[in-house]
Amino acid sequence: EDKVVQSPLSLVVHEGDTVTLNCSYEVTNFRSLLWYKQEKKAPTFLFMLTSSGIEKKSGRLSSILDKKELFSILNITATQTGDSAVYLCAVDRYGGSQGNLIFGKGTKLSVKP
Amino acid sequence: DTGVSQDPRHKITKRGQNVTFRCDPISEHNRLYWYRQTLGQGPEFLTYFQNEAQLEKSRLLSDRFSAERPKGSFSTLEIQRTEQGDSAMYLCASSLRTDQETQYFGPGTRLLVL
Repeated sequence: EDKVVQSPLSLVVHEGDTVTLNCSYEVTNFRSLLWYKQEKKAPTFLFMLTSSGIEKKSGRLSSILDKKELFSILNITATQTGDSAVYLCAVDRYGGSQGNLIFGKGTKLSVKP
Repeated sequence: DTGVSQDPRHKITKRGQNVTFRCDPISEHNRLYWYRQTLGQGPEFLTYFQNEAQLEKSRLLSDRFSAERPKGSFSTLEIQRTEQGDSAMYLCASSLRTDQETQYFGPGTRLLVL
């Protein structure tokens, strides 16, 4: 059965710290891996990754995919209290299940001042 | 606001009642998805449409659930004879079918069944 596993499930850091969130997956017909940020409402899109080894960056956030080892990491540098949220990892697949995203349970990040 | 919108944002109902939720996708997006999210879990796929055609349904979608997208624009999700286990956040997302599509989510409808 296809699955996505995120770790840790929760994390508490102080402002200025750097954090690394992990996402591993086991899926057939992998198409892409997506990261979302969820703050008490709808998930907001962060990154889509399709190729191994190519880092995507947006400000203090960056992410990379390893298709051989079947995992991705999301890095946040110089964390701020506004980064507190649940970070969701999801995988999309080719074929009949295309668009049917499989989500992990999320990592709840709390950034203390 | 040109994002995905959902209505209502919150719904409280009694067990056994029927409820209907609406989703308006981003205007040029031809794919529309419904997910359900319970506390401490990631969203779980329910169903999706490409234009007006419903292309896939999860086994989570029991026969009490029905979704429509009659004109290929907005969609409705109806739950009949609600049960307490239906309490969840119902999320809608839309995307433009390309080789690298990204799904954009609406604010969700939080359902509480008493």
